[in-house]
Amino acid sequence: DTAVSQTPKYLVTQMGNDKSIKCEQNLGHDTMYWYKQDSKKFLKIMFSYNNKELIINETVPNRFSPKSPDKAHLNLHINSLELGDSAVYFCASSAPWEAGASTDTQYFGPGTRLTVL
Amino acid sequence: GNSVTQMEGPVTLSEEAFLTINCTYTATGYPSLFWYVQYPGEGLQLLLKATKADDKGSNKGFEATYRKETTSFHLEKGSVQVSDSAVYFCALITYGNNRLAFGKGNQVVVIP
Repeated sequence: DTAVSQTPKYLVTQMGNDKSIKCEQNLGHDTMYWYKQDSKKFLKIMFSYNNKELIINETVPNRFSPKSPDKAHLNLHINSLELGDSAVYFCASSAPWEAGASTDTQYFGPGTRLTVL
Repeated sequence: GNSVTQMEGPVTLSEEAFLTINCTYTATGYPSLFWYVQYPGEGLQLLLKATKADDKGSNKGFEATYRKETTSFHLEKGSVQVSDSAVYFCALITYGNNRLAFGKGNQVVVIP
């Protein structure tokens, strides 16, 4: 049973196109995230949603738009793709950090490797 | 802000050697600490975690101890195998922040 799944696993497209990446989690978590891993393997958060509400929006071009139709899904739509958007995009999810809890472990999907030509 | 520093450069070692990967951190607030592993061509997997000072996280022969006095969370394994070849990321999160802060990762290559 896949806990956090992403589609597609690989995405190759031309500059200027619009594409979407989908993410689903079956862990019952309330919070979902998008991270970007660049060519040097550095990971940085892009967005986070809690129960369909945007709670983190880092400095990301507005060509990137997350959408959460329900708390189990968080999709990432990218308009007018640029060469610099080539990266691996990871979705993650976590349970609510409840009062008294000591951690907020995030579980990651397998990643989507986006290549912009 | 929160930040994680990992030792520079890849780590190459022979099978059955002892592995240490250093990780130090700065955090506003009291962090939870994690090691994630990324095997070739795969996603990030949680390897181990520790949530308070002096806790030891362990999994698959790997261990790391939360050292508040030195703000460190070094990863160790006594006898590595070729299958341990991967990229290892140290990370932290603080309550209310929701952002995992990652180190730059260390590529570990184990040679038979």
